[in-house]
Order: sequence, then C-alpha cells, then structure tokens
Amino acid sequence: EPEVTQTPSHQVTQMGQEVILRCVPISNHLYFYWYRQILGQKVEFLVSFYNNEISEKSEIFDDQFSVERPDGSNFTLKIRSTKLEDSAMYFCASSERSWGQGTDTQYFGPGTRLTVL
Amino acid sequence: AQSVTQLGSHVSVSEGALVLLRCNYSSSVPPYLFWYVQYPNQGLQLLLKYTSAATLVKGINGFEAEFKKSETSFHLTKPSAHMSDAAEYFCAVTGANNLFFGTGTRLTVIP
Repeated sequence: EPEVTQTPSHQVTQMGQEVILRCVPISNHLYFYWYRQILGQKVEFLVSFYNNEISEKSEIFDDQFSVERPDGSNFTLKIRSTKLEDSAMYFCASSERSWGQGTDTQYFGPGTRLTVL
Repeated sequence: AQSVTQLGSHVSVSEGALVLLRCNYSSSVPPYLFWYVQYPNQGLQLLLKYTSAATLVKGINGFEAEFKKSETSFHLTKPSAHMSDAAEYFCAVTGANNLFFGTGTRLTVIP
C-alpha cells in the first residue's frame, strides 16, 4: 500500500539554524500539506500546496517558513532560522483531490521530530 | 469557522469493555469528519471518515462512529476494547484545504 514517507525521523538543531524537512507524498496525489504537533498539544495546520503554489496557510506559517516541491517526488518544509518554540513533530500529508472537488482523505507520514536547542 | 472539541483528554477502559470517545464539531458548512489514531512514535492513521453518506460509519479495527447533526457530534465507539487499541485518537473536521484537529484523547486499556 502506498504511503507518505518523511525524512529524517528526528532532527536536532541549534536555535537560529536552518532546517529542511523532507517528505515524499503518495505518487498520484496532487495536494500536499504540512502540519505540526507541539508536544502534548493538538495537531495544527501549517500550509497546503497545489500546482506549485501555496493554496492556504495558517497564522503559524510566517516568513520563517517556506515550502517547495523541488522535483517530481519531494515536498519540503524549510524553517530559515529556527526558534525554541519550533520544536515539534512535523507531519506531511497528501491527498489525491481537495475538498472542493469532493471529499478526499489526507494520508499522513510518520512525522519528523524537530528539536531546537 | 470549523472546529472540533474532544471531551476527555484521557479515557481508561478495561480490556473487553466498550470504548466511547467523544467528539463535537462546529462547522459553518456541512462537515466532513474524521477520526485518526496515533500509536506511540508513529504518524496519524485514518480510522474512519464521514462524508455525508451513511450516518453510521464503520472503520478499521472494529471502530465505528455515528454522525448526529442534531447533537453536532461524531463519537467514536468500539464494542470491546483490545490492548492494541491503546493510542491517541484525534477527531478532525475539514476546512477549505486543511483539517482542523481536536486536542486528542489518550486511550488506555487496562488488562
């Protein structure tokens, strides 16, 4: 069964450093998402991406964040200058269609745990 | 605006007992609702989803949920808990291009 994969599983970085979290969505999916989950809190939406553009983003997704689909398979989340409060589990998800085209399911990867020291 | 509220951050049940995890939603449009499960150190796995077809939705691992519009609820149930059901469960409702999650309910199964 196809699945979303994410690398690395755990990333430790120093405050102020740039990190890139990588995701490989399911191959025939066209919509991509990033969510994060701070320890002990709920899963929060960051950004959705379609056709090489951001289609929606939350208030959390400020100028420190960016997303990219550098090739036909990877989908990345970059944090330019990490802060302590960026420590969280980051989940990538993908779906074949968006809600506007009928319901569809977002399939989640296993997550990358980011620890900012 | 879309949101979900999960009542009870922790639920403990005995093995073989009924599992009931509560979720109430708020949505300005007819909602699509989901339950996801997160096992320790793993990602989110879809348990089941409601997409305006049947109000009683059956999912994986013996779980089901009933959509009740009058109560704005989408509670998750399983008749008989198994040790392997111990996990965190998240209810979610669709936004425009994303999902709004609840705060989660940690289910503990007591042998």
